[in-house]
Amino acid sequence: DTGVSQDPRHKITKRGQNVTFRCDPISEHNRLYWYRQTLGQGPEFLTYFQNEAQLEKSRLLSDRFSAERPKGSFSTLEIQRTEQGDSAMYLCASSLRKNTEAFFGQGTRLTVV
Amino acid sequence: DQQVKQNSPSLSVQEGRISILNCDYTNSMFDYFLWYKKYPAEGPTFLISISSIKDKNEDGRFTVFLNKSAKHLSLHIVPSQPGDSAVYFCAASAREETSGSRLTFGEGTQLTVNP
Repeated sequence: DTGVSQDPRHKITKRGQNVTFRCDPISEHNRLYWYRQTLGQGPEFLTYFQNEAQLEKSRLLSDRFSAERPKGSFSTLEIQRTEQGDSAMYLCASSLRKNTEAFFGQGTRLTVV
Repeated sequence: DQQVKQNSPSLSVQEGRISILNCDYTNSMFDYFLWYKKYPAEGPTFLISISSIKDKNEDGRFTVFLNKSAKHLSLHIVPSQPGDSAVYFCAASAREETSGSRLTFGEGTQLTVNP
């Protein structure tokens, strides 16, 4: 296993369009996280899955955002009706259990024009 | 409410010298702390971590110190190398069982190691 994989690496979309990102975690990791990072800031938590259950969502995650993790393996993050403020790096991470290090993917850079 | 703060946006050191990066936190529920390094256009890379039951953890050139009474941690890199030049993020996770170990990050410190 080569680590956490995210696809695509870059996405440019027009305002109002829907976009979907995919994350493949490290295979034995049952915890999966989505974060968002904007320029000059640290990553901000969006949502967390343990296996297929979405256990926590940040208030940053508006109704236009939805995440899934069917079968507890890969995860998708969808943004509907994108806005320019959604432009950011979207990071996925996975970990084995509580209080162990989370490993991050290379991120998906979203640009909304 | 910025629960994890890195007050120095940037730090410049000479190759071979010590780099000290600092981080302060306010949430007393944090019990696990990590440092990540990030290069442009890449995801953060895990460096080193420390549990709140310890005050020091060492891994090669990297040492993390935790002062719980001051709610302060620091990362020491000795000796610093030009390849260490990157943005360093401090992160923390809380004790609550429902938090799922989500990480709260600081704003980052840009380290530049000059040859």
